[in-house]
Amino acid sequence: EAGVAQSPRYKIIEKRQSVAFWCNPISGHATLYWYQQILGQGPKLLIQFQNNGVVDDSQLPKDRFSAERLKGVDSTLKIQPAKLEDSAVYLCASSPKQQDTRKQETQYFGPGTRLLVL
Amino acid sequence: AQSVTQLGSHVSVSEGALVLLRCNYSSSVPPYLFWYVQYPNQGLQLLLKYTSAATLVKGINGFEAEFKKSETSFHLTKPSAHMSDAAEYFCAVSLMNTGFQKLVFGTGTRLLVSP
Repeated sequence: EAGVAQSPRYKIIEKRQSVAFWCNPISGHATLYWYQQILGQGPKLLIQFQNNGVVDDSQLPKDRFSAERLKGVDSTLKIQPAKLEDSAVYLCASSPKQQDTRKQETQYFGPGTRLLVL
Repeated sequence: AQSVTQLGSHVSVSEGALVLLRCNYSSSVPPYLFWYVQYPNQGLQLLLKYTSAATLVKGINGFEAEFKKSETSFHLTKPSAHMSDAAEYFCAVSLMNTGFQKLVFGTGTRLLVSP
């Protein structure tokens, strides 16, 4: 079974430029997550999709970050314009649909995109 | 609000020694708890999860964790460390927000294994 794919793996940009990240989840997974992992910290959820609808984007800086999941499969995360503090690893994860609270589906993570903003 | 605290940003052990990584949680409801491992330049991989079925949870690669409600802890252990265990370990708690799982991660503990 193929895992979560992300591209690019690395990106270096100047501040105020724009950047986009792409994620292809595991086939059949209804739920897709984008996390931001700043050096020395744990991942922080930015946005969560169930199929092509947004479930939670409470921690997404909406003035500069946007994300979409057209057709409920692939997803893109965009930053425009980028700031120095956006330097981080952006992780995409996917999981099957949560059918039962007690079951707690496993999230499967991609390798991440490492962004450096200069 | 639910959260987890990982004590010690770095833990060093010798190969063959006991591994103990600490995690304490804060939750007003019975929590769902997870341990994930992250190898360099890779994403996170689930080691084990507690979903209230049993307090002692066994995971992959010989790791296990015990849920102790009285101590609000979910520490990760492995009897004998291997060089390949060197990685970053994250404890996480699940928030069930309107029926959708939301993980809140700790700050991580880097495990160093020396020969």
